Amino acid sequence: GAGVSQSPSNKVTEKGKDVELRCDPISGHTALYWYRQSLGQGLEFLIYFQGNSAPDKSGLPSDRFSAERTGGSVSTLTIQRTQQEDSAVYLCASSPGTAYYEQYFGPGTRLTVT
Amino acid sequence: LAKTTQPISMDSYEGQEVNITCSHNNIATNDYITWYQQFPSQGPRFIIQGYKTKVTNEVASLFIPADRKSSTLSLPRVSLSDTAVYYCLGARSGNTPLVFGKGTRLSVIA
Repeated sequence: GAGVSQSPSNKVTEKGKDVELRCDPISGHTALYWYRQSLGQGLEFLIYFQGNSAPDKSGLPSDRFSAERTGGSVSTLTIQRTQQEDSAVYLCASSPGTAYYEQYFGPGTRLTVT
Repeated sequence: LAKTTQPISMDSYEGQEVNITCSHNNIATNDYITWYQQFPSQGPRFIIQGYKTKVTNEVASLFIPADRKSSTLSLPRVSLSDTAVYYCLGARSGNTPLVFGKGTRLSVIA
């Protein structure tokens, strides 16, 4: 079946502009995660959603970052007033439910802030 | 979740068995040891997971000693396509976010 998809695959923006990154999780998966990966680094957790519960925002690096998940499916990560240090690959993952350990990752969105 | 330590990089020739060892001295009782593989320009992909002793699937084997303070991922007869970054991490059910380190960059040479 279809995996996790993300759009756009690449995004170049000017410093100070806002950007929106989209994630379509696997159908039926109740958990959705956002991670960030800077060049040559491991993944950094940003935020996760589980069903209708309040999201865990503990990984968001600043209040310029926010995310929402509509209808328990598609999620959008928004970065306001982008800075050069925001340049990274933003990865989305989904998981079937609370009893599962495995997460399924999308291909990521490469964000470049000039 | 437990902090894990693994080698930054490893090289291997095609056809050899590769063992990547990870230490996780402070792993919690309810953490499973999980390995992910990441190719360039792709998201990580789950390889294998275990709690203790040995687990084997079609891709790899995972060896975990009784004290669970370390684990070894074994890749049999690697090929060039196994060149990737391999991450060892502790994972817990309940949708706990995964904590990734920098991983081990495996380079397979012809």
